[in-house]
Parts: sequence; C-alpha cells; structure tokens
Amino acid sequence: QVQLQESGPGLVKPSQTLSLTCTVSGGSISSGDYYWSWIRQPPGKGLEWIGYIYYSGSTYYNPSLKSRVTISVDTSKNQFSLKLSSVTAADTAVYYCARMVEAPLRFDPWGQGTLVTVSS
Amino acid sequence: AIQMTQSPSSLSASVGDRVTITCRASQGIRNDLGWYQQKPGKAPKLLIYAASSLQSGVPSRFSGSGSGTDFTLTISSLQPEDFATYYCLQDYNYPLTFGQGTKVEIK
Repeated sequence: QVQLQESGPGLVKPSQTLSLTCTVSGGSISSGDYYWSWIRQPPGKGLEWIGYIYYSGSTYYNPSLKSRVTISVDTSKNQFSLKLSSVTAADTAVYYCARMVEAPLRFDPWGQGTLVTVSS
Repeated sequence: AIQMTQSPSSLSASVGDRVTITCRASQGIRNDLGWYQQKPGKAPKLLIYAASSLQSGVPSRFSGSGSGTDFTLTISSLQPEDFATYYCLQDYNYPLTFGQGTKVEIK
C-alpha cells in the first residue's frame, strides 16, 4: 500500500525559502493514474490546497501562492518537492503531501504532515 | 475561487445521535464534492467523494448527499471514534477549496 512521508526543516527564517520533500513508498510516482499534491494547515485553522504535479512535470498552483511556489518531481527517487519563497509568519503551518486521483477527485492517502515554523 | 461554507462550525452530540453537517458552495459545482475527517494531530482522511460515494473501508454510517450548491454529510449513529473535525472540498474547478471545518464534540 502506498505511503507518503514529508521531510524538511522545521524552522525557516522570514524572507527565506521553505523546502520540503515527499517520499512515496509502496508505489511508483510515475504511475500515470495519479497526481501529487501539497496541502497546508496553519495551526488551529483550516486546509489550503497549494498545488499539484504530474510525473511528467506538469503543474498547477493555487493562484493565491503561485508567485512563490514551485513543485518539482524526481522520478528516480520517487519523490516530489515543494519550495515556497519569501516566507512570512503567515506561512507557518503543517504541510501535507497527498496522492490525488482525478475524476472523481480524491486525496488518498496523505502523509502524516510536517510542521514548518517561520521565525527568526 | 469558489467559496465553501460549512455549518455549523461546531456541534455537540452524544454517542448514538444522528449528525448532519452542511456545506454550501458559492456557485454550482455539480456533484464535485468530497468530505474528509481529521482527528487532532493527524492527517485528514477521505470519507466521501463525488458527493455520495463512500470511500472503501469507511463505515456505512457515513453518507453524503447533494448536488449543485448544497451538500450534506450524515453520520447515522455517532460513534466515539467519530469525534473529529470534518471538511468539505470542492473539486469542480481549480483552485480546489475546502470549507472551514465542522468540529464534532462530545456532549
């Protein structure tokens, strides 16, 4: 069964770039049946979809973050990554990676999430 | 972006109660809606997709209905493990947007 695991620094300074990686196990990220997404959740708040990537490298980002977000994929490592530039305290959140199936769309499974705090 | 509004924001209920949560979209979204359950400190879990399709492995006490702008998630008989926060998600168009969540607490 497919499992996802986020990794990366838990503390990032303001104005710097947040970088996270999601490692997929139990299945191939190159399967054409799935897209791979990032979703975040500020402490005590709701969920915000960040964007997705397909194994070919095609992406779609939430317009609210588009100018700062880059999602990339490394099929040789079965990983995909998130970069968010020019971070502020408002970017403090638990960041989740998730496998996305389209038509009908569903996120399943999810990674356990990783808390990233933006602070000097 | 499509706005998703859930009601109530929180509710208190007892084990065995029938619970209904509503999600309203700011425009019609056909049946392009999912429901997720989140327990404290855990990732969300898919319950329902396409408004009324039950995800494999999810207990049958959970059901979803609706189309267009108004949707409901119903728990027919609340169990202790169902106390959690529930989110709707529209996938009619991008950007995908979630409701603000409904917290189901123990009465």
